[in-house]
Amino acid sequence: DAGVTQSPTHLIKTRGQQVTLRCSPKSGHDTVSWYQQALGQGPQFIFQYYEEEERQRGNFPDRFSGHQFPNYSSELNVNALLLGDSALYLCASSSELGAVVETQYFGPGTRLLVL
Amino acid sequence: AQSVTQLGSHVSVSEGALVLLRCNYSSSVPPYLFWYVQYPNQGLQLLLKYTSAATLVKGINGFEAEFKKSETSFHLTKPSAHMSDAAEYFCAVSDGGSQGNLIFGKGTKLSVKP
Repeated sequence: DAGVTQSPTHLIKTRGQQVTLRCSPKSGHDTVSWYQQALGQGPQFIFQYYEEEERQRGNFPDRFSGHQFPNYSSELNVNALLLGDSALYLCASSSELGAVVETQYFGPGTRLLVL
Repeated sequence: AQSVTQLGSHVSVSEGALVLLRCNYSSSVPPYLFWYVQYPNQGLQLLLKYTSAATLVKGINGFEAEFKKSETSFHLTKPSAHMSDAAEYFCAVSDGGSQGNLIFGKGTKLSVKP
C-alpha cells in the first residue's frame, strides 16, 4: 500500500516565478492538506481540500492556491515567488470516514528553493 | 485559539537513558494531541495520538505520552533511548475541528550519544 507521494522532491526557482507541486494521497484517503515548513520551524497549515473544494485555509496569501482532482490527488500552486517561500512543502492525507478526529499522514515533502 | 509549546529546542541523552520531550498545549476545546517524528530530509511520521480515549497513549518504537489536563501537558517519553531515535520531534494539537488540521510546535531535536 503506497503512502503519500509528492513530486518533485527538490525544486529551484527564481523570484517572481510560479511553481506547481503535486501530491497523491494514501490509498483510501479523500482529503489532502498542505503545510509549509520553513527551516528550523514546525509545519504551518496552508489549506485543505475535500471533494475537490478548499475546505479550510490557514494564514497564507492568495498567491498560494490549490486544486484537488477527482482521483483525490492535489496540486499546490504558488505565484510570484518570494525568497521567503523557500521551505519544505508537506502534503498530508486523511480520511473522514468514522473518525473521531482525522489522522493526517505525511508525504516526504518537496523542498523549494527560491533564488 | 489552539497552540503548542515545546520546551527545549535540543535535547541530548545517552544511549539507554530515559527520553523526555516536553509539550504543553493551549486549547479552547477538548484537545486532540499528536506527536510526530521527522528524520533528516524526510516527512513526518506519526508516533502517537490522544483522542480522549485514554490518558496514557502508547505509540510506535516504544514511545508513549501521558495527557495531563491539570498541567495542560502531553510529554513524550521512552524508557531507553536508541541511536536510531535521533531525529526531530513535533508536538501538535488539532485546530479544534474534526478535520485534523494541525498546529505544530517548533520541534525538539533529539540527539543520542553512544
